[in-house]
Amino acid sequence: EVQLVESGGGLVKPGGSLRLSCAASGFTLTGYSLSWVRQAPGKGLEWVSSISSSTRYIFYADSLQGRFTISRDNAKNSLYLQMNSLRAEDTAVYYCARVFPQQLVQGAFDYWGQGTLVTVSS
Amino acid sequence: EIVLTQSPGTLSLSPGDRATLSCRASQSVSSNYLAWYQQKPGQAPRLLISGATSRATGIPDRFSGSGSGTDFTLTISRLEPEDFAVYYCQQYGSSPSTFGPGTKVDIK
Repeated sequence: EVQLVESGGGLVKPGGSLRLSCAASGFTLTGYSLSWVRQAPGKGLEWVSSISSSTRYIFYADSLQGRFTISRDNAKNSLYLQMNSLRAEDTAVYYCARVFPQQLVQGAFDYWGQGTLVTVSS
Repeated sequence: EIVLTQSPGTLSLSPGDRATLSCRASQSVSSNYLAWYQQKPGQAPRLLISGATSRATGIPDRFSGSGSGTDFTLTISRLEPEDFAVYYCQQYGSSPSTFGPGTKVDIK
């Protein structure tokens, strides 16, 4: 069974940093691109970042303005999102998701984690 | 970036009704790379349709997707009680990938 489990969310002050993790199981991580998608409270979905299986291709939403860094460790079956210079507008549930079909880096998302809440507030 | 517009914003229907949800793109979606998701309160989204017309694994055949270019439709042939939720479309044919604002299907 494919599972994605996020962790690392919490309350952080504006300007602070946070590192999210996503533990994957039930599939061979090296065969898939992975992404982060966020959802502000009561709002819609926003794609954040994607990383290819080999890490050769990495994409970010323009709105992040270079503050976030996506990475992965295939040996540890894990995906990460380092978030720096956090702002109130970054407050959201952050989901990790598996990209479908396999040949795409930016694709649809066929499996999602349960999400981790990041709250940026003083 | 491609902007997706979904209509209507809310659809009030009864179990057994047919639901027709629209997603319109500001530019043509390359390779018809258009997906539909269902999201219930407190849950992660669930992939229903990819490539505009292909049902995801385990999705009942009452869900169908159609369309091409800039106009896409999700149809639920007969609403079941568990289908009342918010539905999002997403295009992944052009970078950045973008989502529509969602259509809420609620019980009339």
